[in-house]
Amino acid sequence: DAKTTQPPSMDCAEGRAANLPCNHSTISGNEYVYWYRQIHSQGPQYIIHGLKNNETNEMASLIITEDRKSSTLILPHATLRDTAVYYCIALHRYGQNFVFGPGTRLSVLP
Amino acid sequence: GAVVSQHPSRVICKSGTSVKIECRSLDFQATTMFWYRQFPKQSLMLMATSNEGSKATYEQGVEKDKFLINHASLTLSTLTVTSAHPEDSSFYICSALNSGNTIYFGEGSWLTVV
Repeated sequence: DAKTTQPPSMDCAEGRAANLPCNHSTISGNEYVYWYRQIHSQGPQYIIHGLKNNETNEMASLIITEDRKSSTLILPHATLRDTAVYYCIALHRYGQNFVFGPGTRLSVLP
Repeated sequence: GAVVSQHPSRVICKSGTSVKIECRSLDFQATTMFWYRQFPKQSLMLMATSNEGSKATYEQGVEKDKFLINHASLTLSTLTVTSAHPEDSSFYICSALNSGNTIYFGEGSWLTVV
C-alpha cells in the first residue's frame, strides 16, 4: 500500500474551514484514499474515502487531485470537537491492513 | 452510535494475571477483525488479523502465545493478554470489516497492569 505523508500539526479557527493535506505520490490506480480521525482516548472514527472523484458526506469533503498524488480533507466549519489526530491512508479497495502513520494533529482554536 | 463495541473500556489487572478484551460488531457480521495497540502519543500499531473460524495472523514481533486471539463467531473476537506485565499497559483497539469493505473501529480498551 502506498505511503502517505501529512503535516504533523495544524491549527484552525473555530467556524472556519479546516483543510488537511495528504501526499500519496506513489498511490496505485486501485488504491483508495481513506480518512479517519482519532479524538483523544477513543478509537479511530471513519470520515470519508474516495478513489478519484471528489466526495462529500455529512462530515467532510474529500478533494483528490487529478493525478491522484495528493488529496485534501475539508471540514467546512470546524468546531472545537473536531480537535483530533487525522489519518490519511491509501489502501487497496479490498485491502484490510490499515497502516497508520503519525497523522496530523488538528487543533481547533476558539 | 457505535457499530463496533469493545469491553471492557478500562481494566486494571495484577502483573502475572491474564485479561480478556472483547470486540463485537453490533449490526453486521465480520469475518475479519483486527487488533491494534497504541502507546501514548504514538500511532496505532497493527498486532494481528483475526479470522473467523481460523487462526489469527500476527504481525512480526507480536508474540502469539502472549496475545491470544479467538474469533469465536461472526460478531465476536477476543484478545487475551496472558501473564500480563506492566509493559503491556496500553490502549488496545479492535476494528471490523463490514460487507461494504468499510472498516469500523471500536472505542478502545485501556489496560493498566500493576
